[in-house]
Amino acid sequence: DQQVKQNSPSLSVQEGRISILNCDYTNSMFDYFLWYKKYPAEGPTFLISISSIKDKNEDGRFTVFLNKSAKHLSLHIVPSQPGDSAVYFCAAKGGTSYGKLTFGQGTILTVHP
Amino acid sequence: DAGITQSPRHKVTETGTPVTLRCHQTENHRYMYWYRQDPGHGLRLIHYSYGVKDTDKGEVSDGYSVSRSKTEDFLLTLESATSSQTSVYFCAISGRDSNQPQHFGDGTRLSIL
Repeated sequence: DQQVKQNSPSLSVQEGRISILNCDYTNSMFDYFLWYKKYPAEGPTFLISISSIKDKNEDGRFTVFLNKSAKHLSLHIVPSQPGDSAVYFCAAKGGTSYGKLTFGQGTILTVHP
Repeated sequence: DAGITQSPRHKVTETGTPVTLRCHQTENHRYMYWYRQDPGHGLRLIHYSYGVKDTDKGEVSDGYSVSRSKTEDFLLTLESATSSQTSVYFCAISGRDSNQPQHFGDGTRLSIL
């Protein structure tokens, strides 16, 4: 039972354009959502997060949107840069769960110069 | 970078042998986690710890045990390794409350032949 899903295994965009990565979840108890970026041979790096009391959070070129009614979140990267090429994971946690995260399968983003 | 060190970084071993992976942190964080990353599955939680000698099972705990005798060290043991446990293993930590993002080590690539 995959509670967090990233249905696009890969995404290819041109440098300077917008990248939009999507994530869907099924567990209505999730109340905090995160995006991580991962380069090969390294651990995931925290990128941005959003609480369920918000519908948008921005940090520089990165914006996360949360649609609770649709149980959907998305990460927008504007403008995309070649250094953004990596695997992106969305993750969720909820309630008194000792911070345990449930991850999606990941989306490979490739930004072409 | 969060002070997380995983050892070894790579290991090749045979089916049926015991294996122990170590996670060491210098942040004095309360929460520590072990995940495995496999293609098509993202990261899945194996075990976690919410304090010294306080541990619990995650989503994929069968065949694994953990121990935490000091705040800074969290050990993952495969009592009798199987080929299905070939994976990349990541340790993560999070801060004084479980709502802070987790920060990850650089992983251990484990191959069981």
